[in-house]
Amino acid sequence: AQSVSQHNHHVILSEAASLELGCNYSYGGTVNLFWYVQYPGQHLQLLLKYFSGDPLVKGIKGFEAEFIKSKFSFNLRKPSVQWSDTAEYFCAVSLTSGTYKYIFGTGTRLKVLA
Amino acid sequence: DVKVTQSSRYLVKRTGEKVFLECVQDMDHENMFWYRQDPGLGLRLIYFSYDVKMKEKGDIPEGYSVSREKKERFSLILESASTNQTSMYLCASIALDRYEQYFGPGTRLTVT
Repeated sequence: AQSVSQHNHHVILSEAASLELGCNYSYGGTVNLFWYVQYPGQHLQLLLKYFSGDPLVKGIKGFEAEFIKSKFSFNLRKPSVQWSDTAEYFCAVSLTSGTYKYIFGTGTRLKVLA
Repeated sequence: DVKVTQSSRYLVKRTGEKVFLECVQDMDHENMFWYRQDPGLGLRLIYFSYDVKMKEKGDIPEGYSVSREKKERFSLILESASTNQTSMYLCASIALDRYEQYFGPGTRLTVT
């Protein structure tokens, strides 16, 4: 069965530190990849997505992610975090054909200290 | 902008009650989803619907049912609420030609 793993469950950083959150998926076929973010008290919103093409994708608020097909990975990065990046981050995968089901990772809670 | 709304932000129900959670989207999306979100478990799919009156079980359908009588509305029903159904429930929708899901604000359900 397909699955998505997020290895970091809780991350604490100081402002201006660099961020990298890991995401690995298990599926042999072609996938679409997403990172969603949930700020405290707010609904889930899309941070960035990868469908095809350039494996380095840029999203909102200075986030980027790199798709490495050989490693089945889609890690999220930000060179310098801000206190306002405190949130929970979810990696998700959907198949490119058939069902529109998403498979979500378990999430990473990021806390940025001012 | 796509808007997905859920009928309640917070709900408290007693064990054994029948609970209805409503979700409405305003962008004519074909596909709609119900998830529950629990700490450390991420989002788990309960049911989804790809058309009016059509539904498919997700990963954790036990104890739940759904109804989709109109394209814009997708209801989640807890037939007999139990304490282990205390959770955050999220609704989402997606257009046929896209893969980006849009989420509602969630309903935090507490069953006592």
